[in-house]
Amino acid sequence: EPEVTQTPSHQVTQMGQEVILRCVPISNHLYFYWYRQILGQKVEFLVSFYNNEISEKSEIFDDQFSVERPDGSNFTLKIRSTKLEDSAMYFCASSPRDTEQYFGPGTRLTVT
Amino acid sequence: KQEVTQIPAALSVPEGENLVLNCSFTDSAIYNLQWFRQDPGKGLTSLLLIQSSQREQTSGRLNASLDKSSGRSTLYIAASQPGDSATYLCAALNTGGFKTIFGAGTRLFVKA
Repeated sequence: EPEVTQTPSHQVTQMGQEVILRCVPISNHLYFYWYRQILGQKVEFLVSFYNNEISEKSEIFDDQFSVERPDGSNFTLKIRSTKLEDSAMYFCASSPRDTEQYFGPGTRLTVT
Repeated sequence: KQEVTQIPAALSVPEGENLVLNCSFTDSAIYNLQWFRQDPGKGLTSLLLIQSSQREQTSGRLNASLDKSSGRSTLYIAASQPGDSATYLCAALNTGGFKTIFGAGTRLFVKA
């Protein structure tokens, strides 16, 4: 069964460094999403992406964040200058249309 | 601004019991509502999706209902098993840019 994959599974970085989290959505899916979950807290929406552009973004998704679909398979989330409070689990999701979302296993980002 | 609330926050039941998890949302302009399961330290597994035009969906021992007018959804689990122990999340996908808002979840423990 097709699934969403994410790399790396765990990323440790120093404050102020740039990180890129990678996701491979399910092929033929059209909608892509990034979420984050700080330990012990709710899953929070970051951004939705469709037709090569951002559909909607949350207040969390400020100028430090960007998303890109550089080719036909990858979907990336870049954080330009990481802060301690960016430490969280980041989930990528995709859906075939505006329907059921399928989540990847997540990337645990630790900022020191 | 959409807010999603789940009650109870935690639930402990003996094996075999039928149970109901509740989800309420403040903005009825949703596109769909999705229920997920999250095991500790893991990603999200989709359980059921209810489109805004639907009233309920069933999958095996799970049944989810949606009442848009009252801003409520319930997840019914029949004949609970220890393997059902997990956190159950509901998420409302809003019309427009598909911003998805999650509840904080109900942590379920089924005792053998």
